[in-house]
Amino acid sequence: AQTVTQSQPEMSVQEAETVTLSCTYDTSESDYYLFWYKQPPSRQMILVIRQEAYKQQNATENRFSVNFQKAAKSFSLKISDSQLGDAAMYFCAYRAEGYSGGGADGLTFGKGTHLIIQP
Amino acid sequence: DGGITQSPKYLFRKEGQNVTLSCEQNLNHDAMYWYRQDPGQGLRLIYYSQIVNDFQKGDIAEGYSVSREKKESFPLTVTSAQKNPTAFYLCASSIQTGAYNSPLHFGNGTRLTVT
Repeated sequence: AQTVTQSQPEMSVQEAETVTLSCTYDTSESDYYLFWYKQPPSRQMILVIRQEAYKQQNATENRFSVNFQKAAKSFSLKISDSQLGDAAMYFCAYRAEGYSGGGADGLTFGKGTHLIIQP
Repeated sequence: DGGITQSPKYLFRKEGQNVTLSCEQNLNHDAMYWYRQDPGQGLRLIYYSQIVNDFQKGDIAEGYSVSREKKESFPLTVTSAQKNPTAFYLCASSIQTGAYNSPLHFGNGTRLTVT
């Protein structure tokens, strides 16, 4: 079974600074997809960024970028120029390409990192 | 605007009662999912459905049941057999089965409290 590990339960960063949230995953698959979701206090899950494992180029979305290291099974999220609105829980998630071993569809999530932005 | 609607936002029930959480989507998505979120646990998959009249168990299906009679609707019943039902429940959908790069779209969730 796939597992996703976020080793930082909580992170704090000064406004306008850069912060990196870590995520590692365990899989025997070669084709898969990785996602970062943001959950603000409203508890709405919002997609931040996604990465296809077959792509070597790291995904970027405005101030958000990832460092995808396939061999190391690492998928970290970098937030540049942190803003107060970035304060939220951040979840890393994995989705296999197809099914293997009878595994379920859907995303496998890490336990999340609580990001605090200090003004 | 298209989206996923979960109702109610807060739900209170007495222990031993079954309760049904509503999830409706107008995104024309084929696949729908139910997740449970507990503090410090991330999201865990309860059930999912890839097509009408078909659904599959996720990682923590015991004590829950679902139905998928319409493409737009995927209600979740929390039965009295669920030992720790108090949690935040999230419904999600995705564009089609097999489109694994497609993200899941989430509803706003239902907070269930059982006393």
